[in-house]
Amino acid sequence: DAGVIQSPRHEVTEMGQEVTLRCKPISGHNSLFWYRQTMMRGLELLIYFNNNVPIDDSGMPEDRFSAKMPNASFSTLKIQPSEPRDSAVYFCASSLSGAQKTQYFGPGTRLLVL
Amino acid sequence: KQEVTQIPAALSVPEGENLVLNCSFTDSAIYNLQWFRQDPGKGLTSLLLIQSSQREQTSGRLNASLDKSSGRSTLYIAASQPGDSATYLCAVKEDDKIIFGKGTRLHILP
Repeated sequence: DAGVIQSPRHEVTEMGQEVTLRCKPISGHNSLFWYRQTMMRGLELLIYFNNNVPIDDSGMPEDRFSAKMPNASFSTLKIQPSEPRDSAVYFCASSLSGAQKTQYFGPGTRLLVL
Repeated sequence: KQEVTQIPAALSVPEGENLVLNCSFTDSAIYNLQWFRQDPGKGLTSLLLIQSSQREQTSGRLNASLDKSSGRSTLYIAASQPGDSATYLCAVKEDDKIIFGKGTRLHILP
């Protein structure tokens, strides 16, 4: 299995531009998670999906952030408009459902907003 | 609200020494606790997962313990090597959520 796949791996954009991050979970996994990692705040959960349905988006910082999961093999995290404080590494993770199941992390997308 | 704390934030030790990384959490109602390794610019690699009913897990030179009642976990690394240099993250699982500590940056001096 290829593991969790994220694209792009690196993104540099200018303030005000729309940014779309993509994630392909491990085949057969039905839970998907988006995290953000910064030096100041560490790793924070932004949103997670179960069977393509958003379950908890309380970690999404503001309305500029939105996430979708149109099918079991694809999810996007969109920032519109982007701001310099959005610069971070964004990780996607997937797992089987259930509290005992391990999450598997993708390599992350390093975002820099100028 | 669950909070996970890791102390120290950074640690440097000479090669060959045994070392302990500490993790504490505020709410003992967890399903499991996991230790991850993160290399610079890379994703997270799971090292050890301890279920809430367990006390410890071992993998090679790594041993992780869990004391749920006191809200503490330790990661013990025996005979440290330069290749162990990385950031080590502790995370607790509640329902479907994982809450992470900010990590300990470990540097093994050759």
